[in-house]
Amino acid sequence: ETGVTQSPTHLIKTRGQQVTLRCSSQSGHNTVSWYQQALGQGPQFIFQYYREEENGRGNFPPRFSGLQFPNYSSELNVNALELDDSALYLCASSLVGPTDTQYFGPGTRLTVL
Amino acid sequence: AQKVTQAQTEISVVEKEDVTLDCVYETRDTTYYLFWYKQPPSGELVFLIRRNSFDEQNEISGRYSWNFQKSTSSFNFTITASQVVDSAVYFCALSGFNSGNTPLVFGKGTRLSVIA
Repeated sequence: ETGVTQSPTHLIKTRGQQVTLRCSSQSGHNTVSWYQQALGQGPQFIFQYYREEENGRGNFPPRFSGLQFPNYSSELNVNALELDDSALYLCASSLVGPTDTQYFGPGTRLTVL
Repeated sequence: AQKVTQAQTEISVVEKEDVTLDCVYETRDTTYYLFWYKQPPSGELVFLIRRNSFDEQNEISGRYSWNFQKSTSSFNFTITASQVVDSAVYFCALSGFNSGNTPLVFGKGTRLSVIA
């Protein structure tokens, strides 16, 4: 186990709703990255937070937003859900530095109906 | 732009066979990291290895070995004497030098099925 936890495990929402996913990073890690993994695909980078600031963003619309808290835990918020948002959402934590690896949590599977 | 290609979508082998998973990458960076992750049915991505672009030495860890060839932009992964527990989706990934705050770019993965 990596020590990265995510909640909830599964979630079902309807189109147009809003959702919040949560991630607790591994102890001592101050960077959290979020990825979206559609079925049968590799994970796609959504954004990264470092010391409570957004530190890079992938090709996702503004309705995907996030927060990082002083304890380095993080939230991913998605507004106006679309059917294509159905995916596994993975959170990864890491220490910032040239030798650091991203360690992933178990993911949250979101289904949008 | 960075890109990772895993041409093998699915591989099926009989237990105890050796199997090699291919990974080809593209990057304009002169310094970068390469990774392999394993994703069992539970969904969690399990880190297997990280290699930096300066180190082309092959690495062996138990039944796992990795062959990094910069000349062909490849970072292949071999499992020796495969076991049923090796069944999973394996992802190759690439990131910039500062892997702590640059995103991982993943391939589409190779699904490995090991049959008893």
